Amino acid sequence: AQKVTQAQTEISVVEKEDVTLDCVYETRDTTYYLFWYKQPPSGELVFLIRRNSFDEQNEISGRYSWNFQKSTSSFNFTITASQVVDSAVYFCALSEAGGTSYGKLTFGQGTILTVHP
Amino acid sequence: EADIYQTPRYLVIGTGKKITLECSQTMGHDKMYWYQQDPGMELHLIHYSYGVNSTEKGDLSSESTVSRIRTEHFPLTLESARPSHTSQYLCASSSRTGWGTDTQYFGPGTRLTVL
Repeated sequence: AQKVTQAQTEISVVEKEDVTLDCVYETRDTTYYLFWYKQPPSGELVFLIRRNSFDEQNEISGRYSWNFQKSTSSFNFTITASQVVDSAVYFCALSEAGGTSYGKLTFGQGTILTVHP
Repeated sequence: EADIYQTPRYLVIGTGKKITLECSQTMGHDKMYWYQQDPGMELHLIHYSYGVNSTEKGDLSSESTVSRIRTEHFPLTLESARPSHTSQYLCASSSRTGWGTDTQYFGPGTRLTVL
């Protein structure tokens, strides 16, 4: 069975600080996909990024960066120079490639990020 | 990116009422999903559909039912609402592009309160 763990329930930072959100996953599949979603106070989940299990290249998008390490089963998310608008709940999720689990997401518990001005 | 809509956004209703939460998407995605999000934030898959006339129960048991008569429409119905149904319900859709898995795109959610 697959599992995603976000050990940090809440993180509080001051604007312009860098912050890293941790995500650790478990799966028996050799092919799988990892996701990060953002849930602002308005409630919708906003897709941020998707990574394939065979592509460990780190990715940077503006102030956001993701570090994928298969050796430690981790897919961590860093926000550089955080802003108040980054305040939200962030979810890490895992999807397996096939079988009865195809396309289905397993979510972590979520991390509440609060950025203070 | 999908355009996916949910109505109503907020609903307060009394125990025993029948309710239908609407979800529609305009991207022609073949797969659609319903998630329940409890106040502790965790998201649980309660129903999914891989196409018209296909519906399956998700990982979390739910007293709700769904139907998929049209590709773009995936309503969720509670025949008799109870306070334990109070939650946020999120609808999502996805479609396979190229190879690999889908990316799910979410609607704005419906916050249901049953008194």
